[in-house]
Amino acid sequence: ETGVTQSPTHLIKTRGQQVTLRCSSQSGHNTVSWYQQALGQGPQFIFQYYREEENGRGNFPPRFSGLQFPNYSSELNVNALELDDSALYLCASSPDRSFANTGELFFGEGSRLTVL
Amino acid sequence: KNQVEQSPQSLIILEGKNCTLQCNYTVSPFSNLRWYKQDTGRGPVSLTIMTFSENTKSNGRYTATLDADTKQSSLHITASQLSDSASYICVVSGAGFKTIFGAGTRLFVKA
Repeated sequence: ETGVTQSPTHLIKTRGQQVTLRCSSQSGHNTVSWYQQALGQGPQFIFQYYREEENGRGNFPPRFSGLQFPNYSSELNVNALELDDSALYLCASSPDRSFANTGELFFGEGSRLTVL
Repeated sequence: KNQVEQSPQSLIILEGKNCTLQCNYTVSPFSNLRWYKQDTGRGPVSLTIMTFSENTKSNGRYTATLDADTKQSSLHITASQLSDSASYICVVSGAGFKTIFGAGTRLFVKA
C-alpha cells in the first residue's frame, strides 16, 4: 500500500466525451505526477503539480489538463476523448518536487479508461 | 534523443531459477535510475534507486547494477517465485523533467 488512491478504478466513455480522474496523494506529499500507460507500454509523463501549480509537462495536447487542490489531491481532465486515449492513467505522489525526479515515486493503482 | 530500452521484451522462467533483465539508456545528463515492479493492472512499486556513483543496490532477492559509463543497468532476480510474475520497468531521470520510462520486461514464472 502506497497511500495513494485513485478513482474511479475503471470507466468507459465514448469518443468526444470528457473525463475527470481523481488522485489523493500520500499524507505529507505536496507533489503529484500523472502518467498515461497504454497496454504493453511504459508510463508516459503527462504533467506534474507542485503546491497547486503545474510544474512540468510532457508531450500531451492541451485537452489534457489538471488541477491540484490545497490538500494536494489532484484531478486529471481529458476533453474531446479519442480512441487512443484508452489507457491506464497512473498518479504518483512524492514528498517534494525534487523527489519526483530523484527519489521514489509512490504510485496509485490507476484508473483504467476505455474509449469506445 | 533520450531513450530507455529494455530487453528482453518478455521472459519465461521456472520457479526457483535466476534471471537477469537489461536496461540501456541514452538519457543525458544522468541523474538516477530506478527499477519498478508492476503487477498486471496495478501501479508500479519501487524496487531500487541508484545514482551515478552507485554500482549495485539490493532489495531482498532483487539486485540492480549500474554502469554509468556504458549507460547500462541490469536487474537480477534470484531464486524466482511465482509472485515475481510481473512487468519490470526501468526508469531513468536526467536534468529537469527528463524522466523516461522503459516499456518494461514482462516476466512469467512457471511452477
